[in-house]
Amino acid sequence: SQQGEEDPQALSIQEGENATMNCSYKTSINNLQWYRQNSGRGLVHLILIRSNEREKHSGRLRVTLDTSKKSSSLLITASRAADTASYFCATRDRGSTLGRLYFGRGTQLTVWP
Amino acid sequence: EAQVTQNPRYLITVTGKKLTVTCSQNMNHEYMSWYRQDPGLGLRQIYYSMNVEVTDKGDVPEGYKVSRKEKRNFPLILESPSPNQTSLYFCASSPPPGQGAREQYFGPGTRLTVT
Repeated sequence: SQQGEEDPQALSIQEGENATMNCSYKTSINNLQWYRQNSGRGLVHLILIRSNEREKHSGRLRVTLDTSKKSSSLLITASRAADTASYFCATRDRGSTLGRLYFGRGTQLTVWP
Repeated sequence: EAQVTQNPRYLITVTGKKLTVTCSQNMNHEYMSWYRQDPGLGLRQIYYSMNVEVTDKGDVPEGYKVSRKEKRNFPLILESPSPNQTSLYFCASSPPPGQGAREQYFGPGTRLTVT
């Protein structure tokens, strides 16, 4: 499967702590995206990092990409209870049809007040 | 408001009874896609469409059909639903791959139960 894999499957932290989630993938990619999903709802795009980028920031989010290790990390700083959600990485493979997007199984983040 | 809408949001049906889940977007996006989400399996792509009259299979197309007669609509058709198609379905759209950022905009989901 070309699916990305998030790690850990579940993460539980206190408000104010940082949360780090990792994503590993198998093939060469054009870009990698992170999405957030509140329980039972649609996914919301958080950030996109291209294969020639190593790090990207958006507010409290920091994403890194290491193409040599085929991995990415999503860091949420100073977490809040409202950050509780599932987080998914998605890859658009360089060699496959442009329309294919592969999602991982997600990390369930719980932030306790 | 820019959005992707799906209908119905919830559906309980019986095996073999044909159904259609509609998807519509108002962002003039060329690309649209359908996913199903199952516990422990994440999101899997069913079908996608790069433009009107252009559709392609994703990872799990068996048992599904799609059509793209208009840019804004991308219905998902289950000709003969079976219990293993019980799932949470999402429609998504995005600008075509060649135009800047290509994040996908997701609909709110359709929870389908086939008994």
